[in-house]
Amino acid sequence: LAKTTQPISMDSYEGQEVNITCSHNNIATNDYITWYQQFPSQGPRFIIQGYKTKVTNEVASLFIPADRKSSTLSLPRVSLSDTAVYYCLVGEGNNAGNMLTFGGGTRLMVKP
Amino acid sequence: EAQVTQNPRYLITVTGKKLTVTCSQNMNHEYMSWYRQDPGLGLRQIYYSMNVEVTDKGDVPEGYKVSRKEKRNFPLILESPSPNQTSLYFCASSFGGSLADTQYFGPGTRLTVL
Repeated sequence: LAKTTQPISMDSYEGQEVNITCSHNNIATNDYITWYQQFPSQGPRFIIQGYKTKVTNEVASLFIPADRKSSTLSLPRVSLSDTAVYYCLVGEGNNAGNMLTFGGGTRLMVKP
Repeated sequence: EAQVTQNPRYLITVTGKKLTVTCSQNMNHEYMSWYRQDPGLGLRQIYYSMNVEVTDKGDVPEGYKVSRKEKRNFPLILESPSPNQTSLYFCASSFGGSLADTQYFGPGTRLTVL
């Protein structure tokens, strides 16, 4: 499982776009990039997953440059309810087992 | 509704008193796992199971046992709990065990061992 590095915390204000970048310099060819969101005292929740370029869903966008050594989770126009911890995970899509190693994540605080 | 359930949600116990935390999923998932979450340490995997009767250790298995006799259930057993097992525990399931499969997490069980 590739090691990831993310900022420990970020602050934002309601209505702003938030970009959280994750570094994964040792990403392997078969690795996917997956982001989870966790609210206090709740289990993590899948947000988005990608392999290369850009992926968008109803919640967020994920930008992955050509070298795939980093990725950026983009949350458009955040609200107070987006205050949470965001985890970046990188690992092989075809391997099974204990692939979900969550690091410390990025604690996003959205202020009014 | 597709979900992962855990019971109990809160538990206070004493050192050495055996306990079981149940986990059940209704999505016919093959893969299930247990995590503990502690401040500053993130989520750490305790055990996982690829299918019925197939279990394996995660990163922090000491002091825990699991069983997978049915596909839907994956109980976590603490034979002799100790205070250092005070933590927030999450059960998760997915169709398969790869990172490409979306993991569904339960609501968590907050355990305090006195």
